[in-house]
Amino acid sequence: DAKTTQPPSMDCAEGRAANLPCNHSTISGNEYVYWYRQIHSQGPQYIIHGLKNNETNEMASLIITEDRKSSTLILPHATLRDTAVYYCILPQGGGSNYKLTFGKGTLLTVNP
Amino acid sequence: GAGVSQSPSNKVTEKGKDVELRCDPISGHTALYWYRQSLGQGLEFLIYFQGNSAPDKSGLPSDRFSAERTGGSVSTLTIQRTQQEDSAVYLCASSFEVSPETQYFGPGTRLLVL
Repeated sequence: DAKTTQPPSMDCAEGRAANLPCNHSTISGNEYVYWYRQIHSQGPQYIIHGLKNNETNEMASLIITEDRKSSTLILPHATLRDTAVYYCILPQGGGSNYKLTFGKGTLLTVNP
Repeated sequence: GAGVSQSPSNKVTEKGKDVELRCDPISGHTALYWYRQSLGQGLEFLIYFQGNSAPDKSGLPSDRFSAERTGGSVSTLTIQRTQQEDSAVYLCASSFEVSPETQYFGPGTRLLVL
């Protein structure tokens, strides 16, 4: 499977934009990039996904580079409740794309 | 609408006892998944249901683990003769069949085996 690389931790000030990077240099042409997050003591939560175009929803924006080798999740105005571990995931292909493989992710700490 | 619910939220049991964990998926979601998360670790896939059948049981760690789903809805994960290494948070998720990558997770059951 294509692997993803994320920084282990990041800090962000409340109200500022949080930009979370993910490298996926071995991504294949038809693999989507998915982002989930896990707030402490809760189950993971789907955030957003994309293939090659930038995407935006009520939670976040996803910017994917033209070569698709990396992406950035943007939380435009981070709040304290956005403190969580953020996972960048490329669901397995070949008919087994239901298996979400969660790596270590990035622990985002939003500070007051 | 209601999200995925799991029960019990916490379970403490003695080594060697059997436990049963329950998952109620979102109404209309035909796909259901079980994962577990040990302390400080990532999520580990256990099993996937499409309707009442389980096309992939490859993640079940041993034959002490089993799962079933009836009526295309509620699922139970049973662990027989629990061991201390079974202590973890057991997470259930559900999705529409056509978008298995977009999964909605429940709050989990925290299992502690003494």
